[in-house]
Amino acid sequence: QKEVEQNSGPLSVPEGAIASLNCTYSDRVSQSFFWYRQYSGKSPELIMSIYSNGDKEDGRFTAQLNKASQYVSLLIRDSQPSDSATYLCAVENAGGTSYGKLTFGQGTILTVHP
Amino acid sequence: KAGVTQTPRYLIKTRGQQVTLSCSPISGHRSVSWYQQTPGQGLQFLFEYFSETQRNKGNFPGRFSGRQFSNSRSEMNVSTLELGDSALYLCASSRGLAGSYNEQFFGPGTRLTVL
Repeated sequence: QKEVEQNSGPLSVPEGAIASLNCTYSDRVSQSFFWYRQYSGKSPELIMSIYSNGDKEDGRFTAQLNKASQYVSLLIRDSQPSDSATYLCAVENAGGTSYGKLTFGQGTILTVHP
Repeated sequence: KAGVTQTPRYLIKTRGQQVTLSCSPISGHRSVSWYQQTPGQGLQFLFEYFSETQRNKGNFPGRFSGRQFSNSRSEMNVSTLELGDSALYLCASSRGLAGSYNEQFFGPGTRLTVL
């Protein structure tokens, strides 16, 4: 089982719709969760971080975390063509041996069509 | 505030050569993590440095090494290059504080091609 798994995609949504991206993780000691957006040929850009159960909203983005189910998701409301990118879920574990290490999912390609 | 910078942006090397990549973190950040990104393996952690000390290392061969300087700038070195080392090498900086939540911010990356 992979440590971090994302819905395989690609995901295609019409402009203005809600895009839902999902991620599960296997290690229960995981404590920090991040969503990065990566445009083709560019480096990952941090768009959301979440550390406690529940929802966290930032503009059109909402991250949801459920530690009991080991599940984290990202909702993008009013999707725009400029949101078309690969979305990466990343997890950081607790403990000294995990310093500075993010474990990434394989990414979900999102396409928003006009 | 300036972001993370990486040099060079592109490199072409031949098998057997060695390469050194450089990363300057965001001002005030003392942790630098390095990652390798390939289409097949995705983003994989190489190592992390904090205050000139390697605190964590990923599952890569000893040909991959790094160091950090007193100004928090970091370098990584790959010796005896192999074709499979062709990848985008990314560094990310964070505050790196123990017992705290640390967001990592990525630089633009160095695209290494090994011929």
